[in-house]
Amino acid sequence: GAVVSQHPSWVICKSGTSVKIECRSLDFQATTMFWYRQFPKQSLMLMATSNEGSKATYEQGVEKDKFLINHASLTLSTLTVTSAHPEDSSFYICSARGVSNQPQHFGDGTRLSIL
Amino acid sequence: GNSVTQMEGPVTLSEEAFLTINCTYTATGYPSLFWYVQYPGEGLQLLLKATKADDKGSNKGFEATYRKETTSFHLEKGSVQVSDSAVYFCALRKNSGGYQKVTFGTGTKLQVIP
Repeated sequence: GAVVSQHPSWVICKSGTSVKIECRSLDFQATTMFWYRQFPKQSLMLMATSNEGSKATYEQGVEKDKFLINHASLTLSTLTVTSAHPEDSSFYICSARGVSNQPQHFGDGTRLSIL
Repeated sequence: GNSVTQMEGPVTLSEEAFLTINCTYTATGYPSLFWYVQYPGEGLQLLLKATKADDKGSNKGFEATYRKETTSFHLEKGSVQVSDSAVYFCALRKNSGGYQKVTFGTGTKLQVIP
């Protein structure tokens, strides 16, 4: 079946650095990708929706200059956390979908720890 | 590893019909279980959850009971409405290396017709 690969699965870095997370659809073309964030012991929060070749649509309260999303091809979307700080530590998960009536597939998530 | 299996859709029902969407999981220990809903053009929203065996989560007329013996968390609603048309995702959350990791099913599309 369709697979979404998310990389890295776990990253630890120093405060002030930028971190890039990749989300790849391995055997289908992902027209739309979603990025979610999960705070400890809470449910997922949608951060942004990206359509291939277009600027991402960010949810209210999500800083687009802080969380840069690029969806330049039908198989790859990236989320870059710029100038990361400890409060950005979280679990980030992406999902991908082909056309609108197709199932949505999730990556395994990225655990981000900022020291 | 952990996994979630949902019934394949799409599911098409008439308004006021009874809904069941099956979900079973594979995980060690005692994960928390969730149902998320995604309306057309929107992201996921948490619908309900259960954190231990025999708990029943409920919201907006939807219910699901955490069944440890059958490793299931089936979603039910007694009378669906057109506005319930959406994609429903079953998910589990379990500690992994000191952090909580979420695993999703592939979603079940529900279409309710007047």
